Amino acid sequence: DAGVIQSPRHEVTEMGQEVTLRCKPISGHDYLFWYRQTMMRGLELLIYFNNNVPIDDSGMPEDRFSAKMPNASFSTLKIQPSEPRDSAVYFCASSDRGRGNEQFFGPGTRLTVL
Amino acid sequence: KNEVEQSPQNLTAQEGEFITINCSYSVGISALHWLQQHPGGGIVSLFMLSSGKKKHGRLIATINIQEKHSSLHITASHPRDSAVYICAVGGYFGNEKLTFGTGTRLTIIP
Repeated sequence: DAGVIQSPRHEVTEMGQEVTLRCKPISGHDYLFWYRQTMMRGLELLIYFNNNVPIDDSGMPEDRFSAKMPNASFSTLKIQPSEPRDSAVYFCASSDRGRGNEQFFGPGTRLTVL
Repeated sequence: KNEVEQSPQNLTAQEGEFITINCSYSVGISALHWLQQHPGGGIVSLFMLSSGKKKHGRLIATINIQEKHSSLHITASHPRDSAVYICAVGGYFGNEKLTFGTGTRLTIIP
């Protein structure tokens, strides 16, 4: 398996623009997680899905952030409008409850908002 | 007070030394994870454990549920072990949400 795939790997945008990050989980995994990592706050969970259904979005910073999982093989995290404080590395991870829920992380998307 | 605390925050050692990184948590958990992140790189899961000890190559992870404490040990450390090691709790049946420690930055000098 190719592992968790994220795109783009790097994104530079200007304040106010819409940003869409994409994730393809490992095939067969039933959980998908979106994390954000910054120097100041470390790793934080934004939202997670089980079988494509959002379970906990309490980590989503504000209404500018939204996440969807239209099917088992694809998820998006959208920021609209983007702000400089959104600059961070965004990781997607997936896990299989049937195999103990060890999480497998994607390579991350480094977002810079100017 | 953070739910998950790691020590030390930074650790520099000579190649070959035995390394210990500690993690304490304040909440009841179902599982504890150790993750590794190389500079500029992705995150790799090293261990997920809920009791006892696990070993993989030169890495050993232990957990004491009563004391709410876990340790990650590296034997015969090597410069390629230089990375940030992150402890996280949660993530087992019914508690999939992970809470992360702030990480320990390990540097192994040749």
